[in-house]
Amino acid sequence: QKEVEQDPGPLSVPEGAIVSLNCTYSNSAFQYFMWYRQYSRKGPELLMYTYSSGNKEDGRFTAQVDKSSKYISLFIRDSQPSDSATYLCAMEAGNNRKLIWGLGTSLAVNP
Amino acid sequence: DVKVTQSSRYLVKRTGEKVFLECVQDMDHENMFWYRQDPGLGLRLIYFSYDVKMKEKGDIPEGYSVSREKKERFSLILESASTNQTSMYLCASSSSGGGNQPQHFGDGTRLSIL
Repeated sequence: QKEVEQDPGPLSVPEGAIVSLNCTYSNSAFQYFMWYRQYSRKGPELLMYTYSSGNKEDGRFTAQVDKSSKYISLFIRDSQPSDSATYLCAMEAGNNRKLIWGLGTSLAVNP
Repeated sequence: DVKVTQSSRYLVKRTGEKVFLECVQDMDHENMFWYRQDPGLGLRLIYFSYDVKMKEKGDIPEGYSVSREKKERFSLILESASTNQTSMYLCASSSSGGGNQPQHFGDGTRLSIL
């Protein structure tokens, strides 16, 4: 079993839909949780960064962490065609500098 | 904004060649990383460095080496390129500031070994 599981999709939604992207993990020591967005032929860019449990909101994006269920989510409200990309989750236990990555979910938002 | 620059976007080399991939960051970050990204396998860590002249093996170091002579520059070396090293190579950097600091990526080098 992988330490981090992420459904690769692809996920296809109409413009304006609410998108829910998820990762599950097995290591209860993870404390730092990140979502990256990767456009085709580009490097991943940091989208959201949270520590421990709870919610964090940034514009149309909300990141949720449920440590009791070992489950993290990224919600995208009012999705736009420009949100079409691969979304990668990553997490880390702290101080060892190495991130553990999900495989990424491919999202297409159709006009 | 953090800028991580990889020297080439696309590179084609031949089997057996020694290949150098260069990465430079402009944010005075202590930590630098090399990954490769393959369909269905995701991001896999090759090597990382947390200080000048320091290096640690990642999950797949075989066939690779690294060099960090200056803080801003981290080089990945394929000692004798093989076709199974055809991949997208990504460099990242992060600060060693308090707590965990997120990694910032370059745009990658798509390397083809013929």
